Amino acid sequence: SQTIHQWPATLVQPVGSPLSLECTVEGTSNPNLYWYRQAAGRGLQLLFYSVGIGQISSEVPQNLSASRPQDRQFILSSKKLLLSDSGFYLCAWNRATNEKLFFGSGTQLSVL
Amino acid sequence: AQKITQTQPGMFVQEKEAVTLDCTYDTSDPSYGLFWYKQPSSGEMIFLIYQGSYDQQNATEGRYSLNFQKARKSANLVISASQLGDSAMYFCAMRETARQLTFGSGTQLTVLP
Repeated sequence: SQTIHQWPATLVQPVGSPLSLECTVEGTSNPNLYWYRQAAGRGLQLLFYSVGIGQISSEVPQNLSASRPQDRQFILSSKKLLLSDSGFYLCAWNRATNEKLFFGSGTQLSVL
Repeated sequence: AQKITQTQPGMFVQEKEAVTLDCTYDTSDPSYGLFWYKQPSSGEMIFLIYQGSYDQQNATEGRYSLNFQKARKSANLVISASQLGDSAMYFCAMRETARQLTFGSGTQLTVLP
């Protein structure tokens, strides 16, 4: 069966520090991969998605970047975190664009 | 303009009763899909139910059913026989052709014992 792993679960970082959140999917090949951000008490905003290795699409301009170095690995990064980067980050995958998403357990990021 | 609108920030329901969570959407795409997800306090998003725009019948999954009214552009989630474990945030989402999933702002459901 397929599983998605996301870590760390919580992270507290100072403003201006770098960020690296990792997400890996097991049990499937060539998945579509997604990074979402959820502000407190609000819905999910799509940040990045990838349909293949090295293929990254950005939905909104921001301080973050994403990379897909391997087929089932998706990384969310920042060189210098801002206070506004605080939030709950969710990684997700599906087999095809029109299929339902499977989500990871999320990372609560607090930038202080 | 909002693509997905959930007008109920919070809802309360008595255990064992049914509850309807509202969702309206805005699209000119004839082909689209509607999803409902549940987010418990742990944070993980759990898929509940899906309705395609061309589906003739309302989708059902166990205690969950989707009241799909295409002309009104609404896709309300109905939870029958509520349980304490149903307390969570519920999100409606839509996917249009060649576009990614768009989520509403969510409804916090609290089931009272």
